[in-house]
Amino acid sequence: KNEVEQSPQNLTAQEGEFITINCSYSVGISALHWLQQHPGGGIVSLFMLSSGKKKHGRLIATINIQEKHSSLHITASHPRDSAVYICAGGGSEKLVFGKGTKLTVNP
Amino acid sequence: NAGVTQTPKFQVLKTGQSMTLQCAQDMNHEYMSWYRQDPGMGLRLIHYSVGAGITDQGEVPNGYNVSRSTTEDFPLRLLSAAPSQTSVYFCASSAASGGARDTQYFGPGTRLTVL
Repeated sequence: KNEVEQSPQNLTAQEGEFITINCSYSVGISALHWLQQHPGGGIVSLFMLSSGKKKHGRLIATINIQEKHSSLHITASHPRDSAVYICAGGGSEKLVFGKGTKLTVNP
Repeated sequence: NAGVTQTPKFQVLKTGQSMTLQCAQDMNHEYMSWYRQDPGMGLRLIHYSVGAGITDQGEVPNGYNVSRSTTEDFPLRLLSAAPSQTSVYFCASSAASGGARDTQYFGPGTRLTVL
């Protein structure tokens, strides 16, 4: 069983919809990362959080340490948000990655 | 800043050949790491380094060697390539030596095929 689980694996939405991607982890972590992998393959960091909530533009990430759960929300989704979203958790030196959620936003 | 660079972008090897994947960063980051990404699986850690002269194994180190003689460079060596090493390889860096606790910066990836 993977130590970091994401759901759903695939998600299709219409432009403008509110999106939620979930991440659960079974290991102790000091930080939870959300990454975006573009269709061309490049990976960029969206958020790193250890408690509470962070917001950047239309993206919001939350984490509940007690429940070992994090969510990534996208408000007013747009076709350019189509990508694979990856969560990863780590204690100190090693990150463990979820398998990713493939998001497709249709116009 | 160029960020994290990787060369080559694409490579085809025959079974048994050796090669080195190059990774460099110009952000003076302490932590560097190598991952492989395979279909249906998450990124998996191969090796990592918390500073020049210090390396350690990740989840899938067999068949790979690394060294870190400078802060900037972290090459990954395939000793004797096998078809199971066909994958996309990503190098990443972060400022803090406790890499998991800091923002990760990824290179563009190297797509390796072993025939």
